Amino acid sequence: SQQGEEDPQALSIQEGENATMNCSYKTSINNLQWYRQNSGRGLVHLILIRSNEREKHSGRLRVTLDTSKKSSSLLITASRAADTASYFCAPKETSGSRLTFGEGTQLTVNP
Amino acid sequence: EAGVAQSPRYKIIEKRQSVAFWCNPISGHATLYWYQQILGQGPKLLIQFQNNGVVDDSQLPKDRFSAERLKGVDSTLKIQPAKLEDSAVYLCASSRDGSSGNTIYFGEGSWLTVV
Repeated sequence: SQQGEEDPQALSIQEGENATMNCSYKTSINNLQWYRQNSGRGLVHLILIRSNEREKHSGRLRVTLDTSKKSSSLLITASRAADTASYFCAPKETSGSRLTFGEGTQLTVNP
Repeated sequence: EAGVAQSPRYKIIEKRQSVAFWCNPISGHATLYWYQQILGQGPKLLIQFQNNGVVDDSQLPKDRFSAERLKGVDSTLKIQPAKLEDSAVYLCASSRDGSSGNTIYFGEGSWLTVV
């Protein structure tokens, strides 16, 4: 089954810096979604990028998708302490309806 | 709109006991998911319902786990008998339908500790 692999596993930055997380996947996808999970909470949908899109923005978030390299990146600009969370990518394969998650990147933003 | 509701929020049981978790999805959402998330890992899909039918239960350990969504609205996930390795957060989620472009909305999860 399709599963994204996030890199790095953990990232620690200072407030105001940018944070970049990467995701790689194996097979053809319909879209790729990014989710955030604060400690002890459920996942929250951040952004969806379709397979025919290369870049998408939402507020301080910028997502890129390179289907030739089977990779995506999530950039959070001007990070805040409240951005501290785990971030998961979820590639949606073209066949089947399952959305599978990777292990996540644990982002810590230090004030 | 109200989010995905789950209960109980926390549960501690002894191994070999049984436990049940309840989920009420967002009103009007046809697709309901149960995920298992072990500490430090990503969520793993256990079962996906479309209305009251099962779409995918390939990763559900059917010898001990069962789930139902009889009326196509709320759902119950049961574990019987529980094992130590079942300690995890059980996340319920829903989407308008199972199509690829739909956002999935998650509940806060039910935390299970098996001792």
